Amino acid sequence: DGGITQSPKYLFRKEGQNVTLSCEQNLNHDAMYWYRQDPGQGLRLIYYSQIVNDFQKGDIAEGYSVSREKKESFPLTVTSAQKNPTAFYLCASSIFGTSGGVNEQFFGPGTRLTVL
Amino acid sequence: AQKVTQAQTEISVVEKEDVTLDCVYETRDTTYYLFWYKQPPSGELVFLIRRNSFDEQNEISGRYSWNFQKSTSSFNFTITASQVVDSAVYFCALSEANMFSGGYNKLIFGAGTRLAVHP
Repeated sequence: DGGITQSPKYLFRKEGQNVTLSCEQNLNHDAMYWYRQDPGQGLRLIYYSQIVNDFQKGDIAEGYSVSREKKESFPLTVTSAQKNPTAFYLCASSIFGTSGGVNEQFFGPGTRLTVL
Repeated sequence: AQKVTQAQTEISVVEKEDVTLDCVYETRDTTYYLFWYKQPPSGELVFLIRRNSFDEQNEISGRYSWNFQKSTSSFNFTITASQVVDSAVYFCALSEANMFSGGYNKLIFGAGTRLAVHP
C-alpha cells in the first residue's frame, strides 16, 4: 500500500542531544514537508523540499536541519539548539500542482518527541 | 497576511446531532485553496476536501457537507447525524496559489476544533 511512514512513533531525548526523525514515502510525490504540532495549536511548517537535494526553511526552522538525498526520504534532525523540542512532529508529501494549482498534502502518523 | 481562524476550540454533541465547524480565513490573493483535515486520536491527519477560490458550489460527501462563501470568507463544515467515530480534531487550512512557485505553497492551518461525539 502506498503511504507515508514515520519512525519512531515515540522518541525520548536527553537535553543536549541531537535526534533524527525518519520520514519515508512511496507515493512518488515530489514535495515533502515537516510540521510541528503543539497542544491546542495548529501545525507549523519547519522545512519543505520540492525536489531532491533542495529544501527551504519554513516558519520555525531554527534548531532543526533536514536532508533530501532521495525522493522517498526526508529525515528531520532536531538539534540541541532547539530550545523547546517537545512536540508532535508530522511529515507530509504532495504532488506538484500545475498551472498554479495546489494539491492536498498527505500526512504520516507522526512522531511524538519528548525531551527529558 | 494569510490567516485561518477556527473560533470553536471544542464542541461536544450527542450522537445523531448535526454539528457545524466554522472556518474564517483572510487572504489578499484572489486565487487560493481551502482544505479540511481530520485528526483522529491516532494523530495522523486525514485529508477531507480541497476547494479552490473559483468554485463556490457547496459540496456534499455522505454525511459531510461544506459551505464556501467568499462574501464572508468562510468555509464551514457540517457533519449530519454525527457518530462517535467522528470524534477528532478538525483543521481548516489555506494556501495561496502561485504560478511561480512550481505548484508549491505552504498551508496555513487554523488552531483546530476538537469535536467530541457522545453516545
